[in-house]
Amino acid sequence: AQKITQTQPGMFVQEKEAVTLDCTYDTSDPSYGLFWYKQPSSGEMIFLIYQGSYDQQNATEGRYSLNFQKARKSANLVISASQLGDSAMYFCAMREKGRSSASKIIFGSGTRLSIRP
Amino acid sequence: ETGVTQSPTHLIKTRGQQVTLRCSSQSGHNTVSWYQQALGQGPQFIFQYYREEENGRGNFPPRFSGLQFPNYSSELNVNALELDDSALYLCASSPRGGYMQWTFGPGTRLTVT
Repeated sequence: AQKITQTQPGMFVQEKEAVTLDCTYDTSDPSYGLFWYKQPSSGEMIFLIYQGSYDQQNATEGRYSLNFQKARKSANLVISASQLGDSAMYFCAMREKGRSSASKIIFGSGTRLSIRP
Repeated sequence: ETGVTQSPTHLIKTRGQQVTLRCSSQSGHNTVSWYQQALGQGPQFIFQYYREEENGRGNFPPRFSGLQFPNYSSELNVNALELDDSALYLCASSPRGGYMQWTFGPGTRLTVT
């Protein structure tokens, strides 16, 4: 069965510093996709970045980059130059393809990131 | 482009009651998934709808049921509510095959007393 593990329940980072959020995953499917979502206190899941298992380069989206190490089954999120607005819950997730071509997303338990001014 | 909307925002129900949550998918999206997020946890997949039919289901009992309408909007129905059903219910929509393009709504926070 597919699984996502986030081992950091909470993190505190000084504003403008870079931060790395850890994520490891487990799957036997050779084709998979990995996501990072941000969830502020309002509750809405905000898509940040996506990495496909066959992508040769690490994904980047503005201040977000995904450090994809396939052999180690890790997909860490790096946020450069953190801002106060980055304070939120962050979820690592994996796309799992089920029956009838349905695809669902499996989420980790999340990391609460708090940015100090 | 309108995003995913959900109603109501908050809801309080009593154990044993029934509840219906609603979701309007993003324009152009024909696939809808529902997730349950208990406090302090990641979301758990409930089920997915495509072309008005259930197209995948997670480990949830039959008292969790759903519908999808021709305009791709969707409902989540929960019968015989239990205290453990208290959670944030998230709806996400996607164009068929657009697995990178899941857009989540703001959620409905259900409290069962």
